[in-house]
Amino acid sequence: AQSVSQHNHHVILSEAASLELGCNYSYGGTVNLFWYVQYPGQHLQLLLKYFSGDPLVKGIKGFEAEFIKSKFSFNLRKPSVQWSDTAEYFCAVIPSNTGTASKLTFGTGTRLQVTL
Amino acid sequence: GAVVSQHPSRVICKSGTSVKIECRSLDFQATTMFWYRQFPKQSLMLMATSNEGSKATYEQGVEKDKFLINHASLTLSTLTVTSAHPEDSSFYICSASSDRGTQYFGPGTRLTVL
Repeated sequence: AQSVSQHNHHVILSEAASLELGCNYSYGGTVNLFWYVQYPGQHLQLLLKYFSGDPLVKGIKGFEAEFIKSKFSFNLRKPSVQWSDTAEYFCAVIPSNTGTASKLTFGTGTRLQVTL
Repeated sequence: GAVVSQHPSRVICKSGTSVKIECRSLDFQATTMFWYRQFPKQSLMLMATSNEGSKATYEQGVEKDKFLINHASLTLSTLTVTSAHPEDSSFYICSASSDRGTQYFGPGTRLTVL
């Protein structure tokens, strides 16, 4: 079974600082990878996803993530955070050789707090 | 695109009653939907996988007779919490599965059992 680790539980940054949130997964095969965001009082939204191809994927709101297969990592980055990026961020994986009925495995989440 | 709705958004009920929560994929069809619980400041806990036209698959420790799931069509899944008790109070979230396992989440339903 796969597992996901998000080592940063709580990150505090000032506006305009750069962001990198770590995500490592454990699985013996190929995976599809996702980052979701949950803003305060709102539901989970898909930020970006990786299936195959270019390991650097761009998502919404200026976020990007890089898949490094050798490190089993899919870190989320943003060059300059804004106060509105304050949210909970979840990394998730699913085996890529399975269909829509497969379960996502989530990390425990990273709470990002951006200060003015 | 890929919008999932839930109804109701908030419900308060008395202990012993049953509550039904609806999950709809508004602009796509989903043969598979998922039901989660989310506790404060925690990640989502998968309860069950709902498959259109067949029985749901429950995670270990989730009582299938208490949490009844029906996936009647490609756009609708319902979760019924039967004989609800205060410990069932929680935030219930559904998702609908699309391309290659991408899940799109509903806004959640806050259930409070008095």
